[in-house]
Amino acid sequence: GAVVSQHPSRVICKSGTSVKIECRSLDFQATTMFWYRQFPKKSLMLMATSNEGSKATYEQGVEKDKFLINHASLTLSTLTVTSAHPEDSSFYICSATIYTGDSYNEQFFGPGTRLTVL
Amino acid sequence: GDSVTQMEGPVTLSEEACLTINCTYTATGYPSLFWYVQYPGEGLQLLLKATKADDKGSNKGFEATYRKETTSFHLEKGSVQVSDSAVYFCALPKGQAGTALIFGKGTTLSVSS
Repeated sequence: GAVVSQHPSRVICKSGTSVKIECRSLDFQATTMFWYRQFPKKSLMLMATSNEGSKATYEQGVEKDKFLINHASLTLSTLTVTSAHPEDSSFYICSATIYTGDSYNEQFFGPGTRLTVL
Repeated sequence: GDSVTQMEGPVTLSEEACLTINCTYTATGYPSLFWYVQYPGEGLQLLLKATKADDKGSNKGFEATYRKETTSFHLEKGSVQVSDSAVYFCALPKGQAGTALIFGKGTTLSVSS
């Protein structure tokens, strides 16, 4: 099946610093990538939708200046958490999909990145 | 808006016991429905899907039937194994094809031998 990787898998940083998380589709070109945030014992919450070569679409309540998303190619999207604070600590998950025009498009998920802000 | 409600766990079972994880949804129309599984330390994987009413999705001994009358998509397995221990998420598309997913809160299943 299609493989999506994330790097790093785990990162610890000091408050006020910026952290970049990469999401790569390893064996396919993704039409669209999504960024989710998973809180403890909570579901995944969609943060933004990222299409190659265009600006990301952010969900309501997500600060676009804090969570910068760049989708430079069909195989790479990056999420940069700027000026991170302890409340940004979470598990960030990306997924990638290939739009085929069908009523159903499977999403392939990365393994996630655990961010801890001290 | 569209939403998914699934039973909260944790669910603790002995090996070979029967499993049911309830999932109900609220949506406009008849969207595709999914069950995803997240094994410890791994990313979410599609477990099974149903794309229209009365469809039954199945995989690895798990089944779920798309029931529009009750707006449900309950996950079932007749005999669970220790290796089934994971978090299970019910989901539906946020919009049209190619869009993100709306997830339930996840149900943790723990199976002991």
